[in-house]
Amino acid sequence: GAVVSQHPSWVICKSGTSVKIECRSLDFQATTMFWYRQFPKQSLMLMATSNEGSKATYEQGVEKDKFLINHASLTLSTLTVTSAHPEDSSFYICSAPRGGLVYNSPLHFGNGTRLTVT
Amino acid sequence: GDSVTQMEGPVTLSEEAFLTINCTYTATGYPSLFWYVQYPGEGLQLLLKATKADDKGSNKGFEATYRKETTSFHLEKGSVQVSDSAVYFCALSLQRSGNTPLVFGKGTRLSVIA
Repeated sequence: GAVVSQHPSWVICKSGTSVKIECRSLDFQATTMFWYRQFPKQSLMLMATSNEGSKATYEQGVEKDKFLINHASLTLSTLTVTSAHPEDSSFYICSAPRGGLVYNSPLHFGNGTRLTVT
Repeated sequence: GDSVTQMEGPVTLSEEAFLTINCTYTATGYPSLFWYVQYPGEGLQLLLKATKADDKGSNKGFEATYRKETTSFHLEKGSVQVSDSAVYFCALSLQRSGNTPLVFGKGTRLSVIA
């Protein structure tokens, strides 16, 4: 079964509103979680690295004031898309490594959240 | 920077055909290499991985060999099934300390027809 739960799986919101996406590790603790964005027919682009108890690390070009990340516990990270606009419509995916270092640990993915901003 | 290039799809094959999806990488260090699969309506799942040169990852009949000399990690399967229809992502992770994210290729959509 799934070891990373992402909610909601899809959401439609109006332009200007905010949307919160949750990512939970179900049977392990995740000090780090990664948030990706996937455009149609394109690769997953890393948006930010979420660190439990500290500020997230954002990739170049990602607006941290627009994509708020909170990693309040060892099993939960949230991504809030603030003042959403149609161009924010995309597929957002979270992932978390079970264990220490990603290169040697299974990286588990949530099922993704399809965001549509009208 | 670090990057992964994989063949563009979509790839359409008949059942029991041989599959190859090419993947090459560029990395500043010594990466671990992965293939992930995304079935329709589902999240990404690890298919196989290799952490050092000449390692062969295998799972569910799929194989990929880490070729450092050609910086490649091509995915192969001898006889595909309809249930293999999915999007396949090649990815790398550099062996640094701390949690480093994966760098993904663009994905290759495979459709297997009966």
